[in-house]
Amino acid sequence: EIVLTQSPATLSLSPGERATLSCRASQSVSSYLAWYQQKPGQAPRLLIYDASNRATGIPARFSGSGSGTDFTLTISSLEPEDFAVYYCQQRSNWPPGYTFGQGTKLEIK
Amino acid sequence: QVQLQESGPGLVKPSQTLSLTCTVSGGSISSGGYYWSWIRQHPGKGLEWIGYIYYSGSTYYNPSLKSRVTISVDTSKNQFSLKLSSVTAADTAVYYCARVTDMGYFDYWGQGTLVTVSS
Repeated sequence: EIVLTQSPATLSLSPGERATLSCRASQSVSSYLAWYQQKPGQAPRLLIYDASNRATGIPARFSGSGSGTDFTLTISSLEPEDFAVYYCQQRSNWPPGYTFGQGTKLEIK
Repeated sequence: QVQLQESGPGLVKPSQTLSLTCTVSGGSISSGGYYWSWIRQHPGKGLEWIGYIYYSGSTYYNPSLKSRVTISVDTSKNQFSLKLSSVTAADTAVYYCARVTDMGYFDYWGQGTLVTVSS
């Protein structure tokens, strides 16, 4: 099973600052990686798929990069509504399945 | 706009079977091209994929839960369901249903439903 490790566990920043979140896979996942945002009491929302493609309706300040085992989610200039928990997720072809990272909490400094 | 809505008991006794249904609107499960999945989140924790089903009825489950999980589909009602047997307190979680794209990403989610296992 592929394990996804996110860092840092918590990131404290101020609105307007740049956020960089990391996700590392225990073995290559090619570019089959997604990022989700989850706010308290809400379901996760798909932000980025295939490592670098923004999902429908996602603002341009969100960007993803990476391939293989190392991936990054960047938020170029934090808005107040961006403070949330972020998860990365990969899918395996065989055996079929999906795993998530443990999450990074982005909090207001 | 596709919408998913979970329904089912919020309280289940230990050793019993947890049963949830997800009703899909704004799109047909039978149209194909997507998988339909269950995911859970223990209180204050991360996300755990439980399993998925295709409209044809083919399924795949997380190996860690496989012995206790059954996912079924009712295309006439545009619903799919989760059964988790022999539950314990460790199964207390928010359960989400979600649509999975053919590339393996969860693009639409239900709002989630908290299921507590307690006597």
